[in-house]
Amino acid sequence: AQTVTQSQPEMSVQEAETVTLSCTYDTSESDYYLFWYKQPPSRQMILVIRQEAYKQQNATENRFSVNFQKAAKSFSLKISDSQLGDAAMYFCGGRKLTFGTGTRLTIIP
Amino acid sequence: NAGVTQTPKFQVLKTGQSMTLQCAQDMNHNSMYWYRQDPGMGLRLIYYSASEGTTDKGEVPNGYNVSRLNKREFSLRLESAAPSQTSVYFCASRELDRAYGYTFGSGTRLTVV
Repeated sequence: AQTVTQSQPEMSVQEAETVTLSCTYDTSESDYYLFWYKQPPSRQMILVIRQEAYKQQNATENRFSVNFQKAAKSFSLKISDSQLGDAAMYFCGGRKLTFGTGTRLTIIP
Repeated sequence: NAGVTQTPKFQVLKTGQSMTLQCAQDMNHNSMYWYRQDPGMGLRLIYYSASEGTTDKGEVPNGYNVSRLNKREFSLRLESAAPSQTSVYFCASRELDRAYGYTFGSGTRLTVV
């Protein structure tokens, strides 16, 4: 089984600044995938970025990147140049989409 | 548009009533899932179907039943609704290659009074 923990219920950042959302996980598997999903007020779940555990290189998607520390079982999301549209709940997820409890991100204009 | 379609989007039930939440995907995905989302609890897996003809319990299956009608459709049934089942329900599907992410429906907000 895999467990996922997000220890930051809420975060805020000034527009155009950088913010990092934390996620830790626990798994007994050696090969797995991790995901970050965004849920804006529309309620739709949107895949932001995914990381393959066997890859050393951290995944990057435009302004979104991860810091994947396999030994520490840490999978944080960095958002650069924050925009108002980034305001949402962010969920970290793993195999069978076990989710953390989410981090609510507020962007301050 | 291709994706996961859930119906209805909103529903109010009285305690003890039954209903079925419908989910259909047109992406030819093998795996389908039902989640519930509650404040402070994140998303919790209710049931999943790894392939047509199979279903398995997730983290919180009590009070629910599912049917994988065919490859496209995966329904969730509440036989006797309880106020504790007030939640937002999401259906999701995934390709066999687990490198790909999951595609979610837009959710059903269910209130049991």
